[in-house]
Amino acid sequence: QKEVEQNSGPLSVPEGAIASLNCTYSDRGSQSFFWYRQYSGKSPELIMFIYSNGDKEDGRFTAQLNKASQYVSLLIRDSQPSDSATYLCAVNEGGNYQLIWGAGTKLIIKP
Amino acid sequence: DVKVTQSSRYLVKRTGEKVFLECVQDMDHENMFWYRQDPGLGLRLIYFSYDVKMKEKGDIPEGYSVSREKKERFSLILESASTNQTSMYLCAGRDLTSHEQFFGPGTRLTVL
Repeated sequence: QKEVEQNSGPLSVPEGAIASLNCTYSDRGSQSFFWYRQYSGKSPELIMFIYSNGDKEDGRFTAQLNKASQYVSLLIRDSQPSDSATYLCAVNEGGNYQLIWGAGTKLIIKP
Repeated sequence: DVKVTQSSRYLVKRTGEKVFLECVQDMDHENMFWYRQDPGLGLRLIYFSYDVKMKEKGDIPEGYSVSREKKERFSLILESASTNQTSMYLCAGRDLTSHEQFFGPGTRLTVL
C-alpha cells in the first residue's frame, strides 16, 4: 500500500514566524510532489509543486524535496492569519494517473 | 488552467434515492476524478476516468458508479443513497503535463 503521511496537527505558529509542514512518502518511484491548501468548507487549491531534489521558492513559500529520505516539506515565511488552513501533500508516480494524498496538516496562525 | 464546475454546492437527499452529481471541465483530453472527503480521512478516490467512456475504480467504489459520455463531463451516481454516503464530494481534472489536479468547488451531500 503506497502511503503519504502527514502530521494531522493542529500546528500552531505565531504570526510572522516560519511554519514548517512535513510529508513522507513510501514509494521510491514517486516523481511529482504537490502541496495544496484547503480552507474550511472549500476545495483544495495548488500552492506549489516540485519535481527535483532541493528547494523551490515562490514568494513566501518554499518546497523542499529529499528523494533519498522520501521527504517533502513546505515552509511558509512571515506567516499570516490568512495562511490558517489545512495543507495537503500529494505524490504522483511517473506515468500514473492518480495522486496519492496525505490526510493533511491543520495549520493555525495566531495573531 | 483547467476550470472545473460542479452542479450543486449543497444537496439533501433521502435514503434509497438515486443521486446524480455532475462535473464539467473546460479542457479537452483531461483525466477526471471523483473523491469524497470526510473529517480525519482525507481525500479518498472513488472513480477516475482517463478518457471518454473509460473508467477505473478507485479505492472506495462500492455504492457508486460513473458516466463519461463526453470528455468535458464526468458524472458520479449514487445508485441507492445511504446515510454513510453523507460527505463532501470533490471532482477534479488533471493537467496531462504537470500532473496537477484542479478541483471543483465541491458538493456537500447529506443523505437523511
